[in-house]
Amino acid sequence: EVQLVESGGGLVQPGRSLRLSCAASGFTFDDYAMHWVRQAPGKGLEWVSGISWNSGSIGYADSVKGRFTISRDNAKNSLYLQMNSLRAEDTALYYCAKDNKQWLVGNAFDIWGQGTMVTVSS
Amino acid sequence: QSALTQPASVSGSPGQSITISCTGTSSDVGSYNLVSWYQQHPGKAPKLMIYEGSKRPSGVSNRFSGSKSGNTASLTISGLQAEDEADYYCCSYAGSSTFDYVFGTGTKVTVL
Repeated sequence: EVQLVESGGGLVQPGRSLRLSCAASGFTFDDYAMHWVRQAPGKGLEWVSGISWNSGSIGYADSVKGRFTISRDNAKNSLYLQMNSLRAEDTALYYCAKDNKQWLVGNAFDIWGQGTMVTVSS
Repeated sequence: QSALTQPASVSGSPGQSITISCTGTSSDVGSYNLVSWYQQHPGKAPKLMIYEGSKRPSGVSNRFSGSKSGNTASLTISGLQAEDEADYYCCSYAGSSTFDYVFGTGTKVTVL
């Protein structure tokens, strides 16, 4: 069964850091690009960051550029999101999503995890 | 990276057809035939319904179809069913140099 399981969310104070993880199973992880997409409570979806199969291409939304870092470990079938200088507006459910291609060429997110909640509050 | 514009809500009776629009710019929707559509039921993860503008993943009903004209993409649901009641989001590629993606504002579909 193809599966993505996120972890690492929680309550964190503004300005602090958090690292999210996504464990993949049921498919050849290093054949596909991967993404993080977030959804604030009661709001719509927002693409956060994406990484190609070999980490050679990486993209970020303007709202997180310079604060968040995406990475992957193909040997561990895992995707990560290092989030620094967190703000209240980063509060959201963070989804890990599989791309249907190797490269960040604008294709679709065909498999999604159930998400991990990040709450930034003092 | 401004969100693509979708109507807040669309409704229809069972059996009818509805269309959801997704309006972007010449920098995103208008530049690439790479719009995807996602269905999200309350409390659930999004599900891919359409990719590359008009292609359906395996397992998605052929009642769902996608198209594009200029800077506007559209999702049509024909033969509306109660299970189609959900939120729908479009997404477009927005930059080959910066690897940007942008989602739409989302549309709540109600089956009357």
